[in-house]
Amino acid sequence: DAKTTQPPSMDCAEGRAANLPCNHSTISGNEYVYWYRQIHSQGPQYIIHGLKNNETNEMASLIITEDRKSSTLILPHATLRDTAVYYCIVKGGAQKLVFGQGTRLTINP
Amino acid sequence: GAVVSQHPSRVICKSGTSVKIECRSLDFQATTMFWYRQFPKQSLMLMATSNEGSKATYEQGVEKDKFLINHASLTLSTLTVTSAHPEDSSFYICSAPSSGASYNEQFFGPGTRLTVL
Repeated sequence: DAKTTQPPSMDCAEGRAANLPCNHSTISGNEYVYWYRQIHSQGPQYIIHGLKNNETNEMASLIITEDRKSSTLILPHATLRDTAVYYCIVKGGAQKLVFGQGTRLTINP
Repeated sequence: GAVVSQHPSRVICKSGTSVKIECRSLDFQATTMFWYRQFPKQSLMLMATSNEGSKATYEQGVEKDKFLINHASLTLSTLTVTSAHPEDSSFYICSAPSSGASYNEQFFGPGTRLTVL
């Protein structure tokens, strides 16, 4: 079973920051928070991951709360191509990736 | 990043026939690959873990005799849907972890859309 809770859908205006929340209150000390996204009819794409520190790459930023029970994925300047289902996944080591229902993000022009 | 390919991208077959789907890691070796299934408007469901040189391990509720998995080399895993029926119509996706990444990032193939008539 997925160990995360995400809102089923969100909307964001093009050019604005999209902030996607994720709750993972039962996360273990050795488990990472991963974010993937799936554009319609394609395979999932890795976005970012983190353990306890905030992380940033060319795609997004990941903010993890100090108690690690929740996190937020930030797309700083959303474009129409960012419309996708975003999955927050908690996984440790060699564990399998288990997908929850994710958040369907729609970027509006 | 690493690339995972799938072939075919889409297939239509008659009920009762078998269909083979290939998953290849193009620029890295993968001793483990994963097979997922996704029905319309639903999330990905893990079906099985494909292990090079040994038997695949299946998730609960997945029929191993219906979904045959062969991991023949370090870059190829195949999923064969035997005696396919319309309810097997789905989007099948494979993934492989990049062995070089300490956090075990997974790379996904583009998916294969199977339609059984």
